[in-house]
Amino acid sequence: AQKVTQAQTEISVVEKEDVTLDCVYETRDTTYYLFWYKQPPSGELVFLIRRNSFDEQNEISGRYSWNFQKSTSSFNFTITASQVVDSAVYFCALSEAYNTDKLIFGTGTRLQVFP
Amino acid sequence: DVKVTQSSRYLVKRTGEKVFLECVQDMDHENMFWYRQDPGLGLRLIYFSYDVKMKEKGDIPEGYSVSREKKERFSLILESASTNQTSMYLCASSNRGGVDEQFFGPGTRLTVL
Repeated sequence: AQKVTQAQTEISVVEKEDVTLDCVYETRDTTYYLFWYKQPPSGELVFLIRRNSFDEQNEISGRYSWNFQKSTSSFNFTITASQVVDSAVYFCALSEAYNTDKLIFGTGTRLQVFP
Repeated sequence: DVKVTQSSRYLVKRTGEKVFLECVQDMDHENMFWYRQDPGLGLRLIYFSYDVKMKEKGDIPEGYSVSREKKERFSLILESASTNQTSMYLCASSNRGGVDEQFFGPGTRLTVL
């Protein structure tokens, strides 16, 4: 069965620290897609990244980077030099090739960055 | 600026009332979704619509119904609100059949007294 696990419920860091948010997924499909979303205090989820199962190349976007490892079924998200504006709930999600319209979400990780 | 809008940010209703949550998107998306967000449970899909008048149950449809009479509008209906339906409700939309991201509205925090 498909499942996304975000074991870290809440993480607190001080500004400028690096922080990694873990995401582990389960799927029987060989073709699937992984997503990260950010939910700031305003409530609206904001799309951060999509990665397909055939592309294991890590991605960097500014202070954000993503590490996709099929061998461990993980898609971890690292924020380098965290800032207060990074404080949010972060969700990892999975969609499978047979039903790409639907997302399966993890339970989210609340990140608090203190000044 | 593309948008998904929800009719209310905060709503307080009484047990037994019929509640309508409205969602409108301006991106001409085929798919629209209603999720419920509760602490520790993440986002759970209530209903999904892939076309006008078409709907599909999600993971937790009990106690809810939906209506999609126009492509841009997707309504969530609580026929008889109960206190266990107090939650944050999020609407989203996306293109059909691709792997595009879903676009989310700001959410409606519903309290049922």
